[in-house]
Amino acid sequence: DAGVIQSPRHEVTEMGQEVTLRCKPISGHNSLFWYRQTMMRGLELLIYFNNNVPIDDSGMPEDRFSAKMPNASFSTLKIQPSEPRDSAVYFCASRPTGEGGNTIYFGEGSWLTVV
Amino acid sequence: DAKTTQPPSMDCAEGRAANLPCNHSTISGNEYVYWYRQIHSQGPQYIIHGLKNNETNEMASLIITEDRKSSTLILPHATLRDTAVYYCIVRSARQLTFGSGTQLTVLP
Repeated sequence: DAGVIQSPRHEVTEMGQEVTLRCKPISGHNSLFWYRQTMMRGLELLIYFNNNVPIDDSGMPEDRFSAKMPNASFSTLKIQPSEPRDSAVYFCASRPTGEGGNTIYFGEGSWLTVV
Repeated sequence: DAKTTQPPSMDCAEGRAANLPCNHSTISGNEYVYWYRQIHSQGPQYIIHGLKNNETNEMASLIITEDRKSSTLILPHATLRDTAVYYCIVRSARQLTFGSGTQLTVLP
């Protein structure tokens, strides 16, 4: 099993540019999560999808952030326009179908630096 | 969600057992206790979870008190590679909310 795959692993971009982070969940998993991690705020849940439908996006910081899941094997998190305070590690995670608890599996993260 | 309280940091000698405590005094009857860890520069990794009974797997043991107000994660023979931040999470619904965790440092 390849695990949750995220790209890019590292990105440095200039303020004002659009950033797109990509995620491929584990095959067969029906829930997908986007988290953000910073030193100041720790791990924060941004949004999660169930069966490709956004269920809770209350953690999305503002309208500059958007997330989509067009199919069961792909999701994107977009920031437009990016700002220096968006610099963080963004993690994607997925959970198997029928999992009764909360055993979710994380990717290795996308390290974003906005200068 | 039930709030959890963990010490911010702990040290453990290599080869010894690491016992990481977690208080969750407001836990309700249907809430599970989950443990994850995050090794530096990696994504969080699931370790173990339980409801009432003690649990053991290839990574660790989880001891939950009878009143379920606290639990202890036990790494029986800590190695240097176990140095990480350990998160105790109590949750009944669909997503996980991470606190600040315990930074465990395994010393040679």
